[in-house]
Amino acid sequence: NAGVTQTPKFRILKIGQSMTLQCTQDMNHNYMYWYRQDPGMGLKLIYYSVGAGITDKGEVPNGYNVSRSTTEDFPLRLELAAPSQTSVYFCASSSGSQETQYFGPGTRLLVL
Amino acid sequence: RKEVEQDPGPFNVPEGATVAFNCTYSNSASQSFFWYRQDCRKEPKLLMSVYSSGNEDGRFTAQLNRASQYISLLIRDSKLSDSATYLCAVNRGGGYNKLIFGAGTRLAVHP
Repeated sequence: NAGVTQTPKFRILKIGQSMTLQCTQDMNHNYMYWYRQDPGMGLKLIYYSVGAGITDKGEVPNGYNVSRSTTEDFPLRLELAAPSQTSVYFCASSSGSQETQYFGPGTRLLVL
Repeated sequence: RKEVEQDPGPFNVPEGATVAFNCTYSNSASQSFFWYRQDCRKEPKLLMSVYSSGNEDGRFTAQLNRASQYISLLIRDSKLSDSATYLCAVNRGGGYNKLIFGAGTRLAVHP
C-alpha cells in the first residue's frame, strides 16, 4: 500500500517556467490537499478537493492551479514560477472531513 | 494573533526527561485537534488525535482545554528518537477538514 506518492522529489525551475507537481493516493480518499511549507514555518493550505471534479482555494492559492479529474490524482500546476514559490510542497489526503490527513513525502522546489 | 500558535523551541532535554508542549488556537468553533511529528526534511506524520477527554498512547499524552483554547502534548521518559518537530493542527470548523497548522515546536533529546 503506497499511500500518498508525489513526484518529483526535487526540482529547480527558472523564473517564468511552468511545471506540474504530481500527487496520487491509493487509499480511495475523497479529500485531497496541497500545502506548502517554508523553512521554520507551519504548513499553509494552497488548494483542496472534496472529490473528483471539485476543487477550492485554501489560504495561499495565488500562482497555482489544480484539477481533480479522478479520485486518485490531484496535480498542482505552477504557471509562471517566481522565487517566492521556493518551498516544500506536500500533498495529503483524508477519508472524511474530520479524519486524519496522510501526507506524501513532499516535493522540494527551488525557483531561481 | 495567529490562528494556531506554538512555542518554536528548541526544547533541549536529557534522555528520560518529561517534556510538555502547548498549542493555542483562536477559533472557538474548532472541533478536531491533532499532533503531528515531523522529522527533518520529511513529511508530517500523525502522532495522535486529541480528544475532549484526553488520550494517552504509551509515553505520549494529549489533552484539550476548550475553556482556555489550547491543546497540550506530554512526552514522558524522552528517547533520543523523540527528537523532531511537533506540529499541532486544528480544524477550522465548518464542513471541510481544513486544518490550520502551527509552525511547530522543535524537541532535541540529548544523551
